[in-house]
Amino acid sequence: ILNVEQSPQSLHVQEGDSTNFTCSFPSSNFYALHWYRWETAKSPEALFVMTLNGDEKKKGRISATLNTKEGYSYLYIKGSQPEDSATYLCAFRTGGGADGLTFGKGTHLIIQP
Amino acid sequence: DAGVTQSPTHLIKTRGQQVTLRCSPKSGHDTVSWYQQALGQGPQFIFQYYEEEERQRDNFPDRFSGHQFPNYSSELNVNALLLGDSALYLCASGSGYEQYFGPGTRLTVT
Repeated sequence: ILNVEQSPQSLHVQEGDSTNFTCSFPSSNFYALHWYRWETAKSPEALFVMTLNGDEKKKGRISATLNTKEGYSYLYIKGSQPEDSATYLCAFRTGGGADGLTFGKGTHLIIQP
Repeated sequence: DAGVTQSPTHLIKTRGQQVTLRCSPKSGHDTVSWYQQALGQGPQFIFQYYEEEERQRDNFPDRFSGHQFPNYSSELNVNALLLGDSALYLCASGSGYEQYFGPGTRLTVT
């Protein structure tokens, strides 16, 4: 059974502050690590797909790093804004394209004005 | 491009009934996966369809079945509904590494 852990479970951050949270996953049989941003009543929005150890990806104020050898990924948000409030999910994928994603429970981020 | 669409948005069923949920993949995607998200949990993979065949399945009972049509759209069927089947059901379509999700169907079993 694959285990994907995200921490913290929830986070309250002041507007303008930067923040980060963690996703840990099995370090064997790695294929890809996905990050999604999910607002209530909307579709999960794909942020990053990370495939190589040492990958760093950036999208505006959001960036992510990947360490497949030790099995963790960090998501960073710089200068948090109220619109960043959402649940951030990471998902681990093994093997080839036939495998489904194994999700963590998510980090619920609330940005306080 | 409408992205991944799902119908219906919400559904209320009684224990023992059967339900069918529908998904249209993003244009150009030929693979559809289904996920169940129970309250307080991350989405859990149910199964994946490719070329109208079930390609992989996680540990869900046979009451959960699916179908993929020649136009790549897909249905998820759940028979003999239990209270514990109440959840958000998400559909995802993919190409290569990418996996795009629909907004989900909220199923409530009473």
